[in-house]
Amino acid sequence: DAGITQSPRHKVTETGTPVTLRCHQTENHRYMYWYRQDPGHGLRLIHYSYGVKDTDKGEVSDGYSVSRSKTEDFLLTLESATSSQTSVYFCAIADRGNQPQHFGDGTRLSIL
Amino acid sequence: AQTVTQSQPEMSVQEAETVTLSCTYDTSESDYYLFWYKQPPSRQMILVIRQEAYKQQNATENRFSVNFQKAAKSFSLKISDSQLGDAAMYFCANGGRNQFYFGTGTSLTVIP
Repeated sequence: DAGITQSPRHKVTETGTPVTLRCHQTENHRYMYWYRQDPGHGLRLIHYSYGVKDTDKGEVSDGYSVSRSKTEDFLLTLESATSSQTSVYFCAIADRGNQPQHFGDGTRLSIL
Repeated sequence: AQTVTQSQPEMSVQEAETVTLSCTYDTSESDYYLFWYKQPPSRQMILVIRQEAYKQQNATENRFSVNFQKAAKSFSLKISDSQLGDAAMYFCANGGRNQFYFGTGTSLTVIP
């Protein structure tokens, strides 16, 4: 299995609080991605990174920010969480942009 | 905009029988890849099979094969000799230069 660790695995928080999810990889892959998975929508891309400090928006980026200061870490931040951001969040990595992505185990985030 | 459509939200198959899951896509890129991922109840995202768009030959991985029709932008997955462990959500994905686009998934039930 690809070395991808997401933390935390589960989190419950309140509306309006900041939340940071972490993705850590040991594969030295260039590309890292954050998705959210919701029933009826499949996986939707939030943000992705194609190198250290190089990031770009995905389909559903509003309300989210990311940072990548090291190759191995990609952080997803919800500055002020809302109930609509309750979801399962997946991190993925890839060696190149069009190559198979390998996924972490997901983080279940509940915002009350 | 790039889209991936899975028109079958749910499918079922008898154990040992064959089932085909449908996927159509739309892309503006000339160089792209197509993938099928499996997500069992454990929530892990597992790569099942990949197809390079420039290859005419359909990809095969053991009991899994694809029918890639480039002109029709169709990419269906055939599962032969279905097993109980094949029960899962299946996602079709189109990988472009930097991003993947996922369909909404097909939930496959395997009947003993």
